[in-house]
Amino acid sequence: GENVEQHPSTLSVQEGDSAVIKCTYSDSASNYFPWYKQELGKRPQLIIDIRSNVGEKKDQRIAVTLNKTAKHFSLHITETQPEDSAVYFCAASFTSGGSYIPTFGRGTSLIVHP
Amino acid sequence: EPEVTQTPSHQVTQMGQEVILRCVPISNHLYFYWYRQILGQKVEFLVSFYNNEISEKSEIFDDQFSVERPDGSNFTLKIRSTKLEDSAMYFCASRGPDRGLETQYFGPGTRLLVL
Repeated sequence: GENVEQHPSTLSVQEGDSAVIKCTYSDSASNYFPWYKQELGKRPQLIIDIRSNVGEKKDQRIAVTLNKTAKHFSLHITETQPEDSAVYFCAASFTSGGSYIPTFGRGTSLIVHP
Repeated sequence: EPEVTQTPSHQVTQMGQEVILRCVPISNHLYFYWYRQILGQKVEFLVSFYNNEISEKSEIFDDQFSVERPDGSNFTLKIRSTKLEDSAMYFCASRGPDRGLETQYFGPGTRLLVL
């Protein structure tokens, strides 16, 4: 089955700096890669996703890049703010015929210091 | 914006007891999921449900677990005989209605503590 590795486990940055979280996956058939943000005690919320036919996607201060050959994808957050502090999970899945079961990474705890 | 809801938010039970966790998916969604998250660990897939039957399940989802959609709105997870290691946050999620839409919407979770 799919295996997703996520690094780093903890990331501490100063407000205004950029943050990068990296994930690798094992199954070359995976074609959908969402990123979730989970604030303490709350539900995971989708912040951005990318499909395998795209190399990069951007949404305001958040961007995701995908390298299918190397089987890795990254989340980039620019101009970080204290409210960006949360645990971020990457996931990889193969979607076909309606089936979609994501495999999650272990999460990165992002701390943005004011 | 419609949201997935779950009840209860917290449940404490004795080992060996049965628990039922309830979820109300977003009304026009067709695919339903249960995940668990042990404290400090990653989210783990348990089961997916479509067209009134289980479509996929993980190794975690053994015979003590069952799911049901008893009516047009609720989606339940039953743990027949709870064990200490079942203590976790349980998330319900839903997606749809288009088979091509992968985005899953998570509920707020039920924190289960087995004593």
